[in-house]
Amino acid sequence: NAGVTQTPKFQVLKTGQSMTLQCAQDMNHEYMSWYRQDPGMGLRLIHYSVGAGITDQGEVPNGYNVSRSTTEDFPLRLLSAAPSQTSVYFCASSPDRGDVYGYTFGSGTRLTVV
Amino acid sequence: GNSVTQMEGPVTLSEEAFLTINCTYTATGYPSLFWYVQYPGEGLQLLLKATKADDKGSNKGFEATYRKETTSFHLEKGSVQVSDSAVYFCALRTFSGGYNKLIFGAGTRLAVHP
Repeated sequence: NAGVTQTPKFQVLKTGQSMTLQCAQDMNHEYMSWYRQDPGMGLRLIHYSVGAGITDQGEVPNGYNVSRSTTEDFPLRLLSAAPSQTSVYFCASSPDRGDVYGYTFGSGTRLTVV
Repeated sequence: GNSVTQMEGPVTLSEEAFLTINCTYTATGYPSLFWYVQYPGEGLQLLLKATKADDKGSNKGFEATYRKETTSFHLEKGSVQVSDSAVYFCALRTFSGGYNKLIFGAGTRLAVHP
């Protein structure tokens, strides 16, 4: 049971480049979400999904797109990278809203935009 | 709005010392409360939770009690170990802006020395 797998672990992009951060879970969880972690700010929700085919914006969605074609995968796309998107990105999943089982987090992707 | 405030770190303790990390929250309604822990180089892990007032969450020797009257959820451990060195995040789950979301505090780094 791999849990939540994120790739890549590290990435350096040039301003204006695009890329996709991958997230996959093998626990058949309906709820998946993407957070960014910045120093002194905790984690902030970017996008989330309550099931295959259903996504919605969180509190900091600008500059990011998501899709959920399968229960397992929830990729995050950076359309045109900016230095302000330098951060550590975490994908999380849960079988419910997070009350009973909490969220399972991946190990993160550290992104630097130069 | 909904928010979580944690004591600033880092917190530095000797092994076997008593630990308290303060957490207070602002929320409408009755949010569920969580403590997550992040070990170096890893994603966040659920440490403990409480879903209603006066509930006590506990795990691995850590405890926290949901205090509605003081809107607090302080984390305590009677005797810390070097292996407890990590960053601890207090969080609340609420329904806000049309979706369920976790709101995290900024995190408190704990360093335990032998």
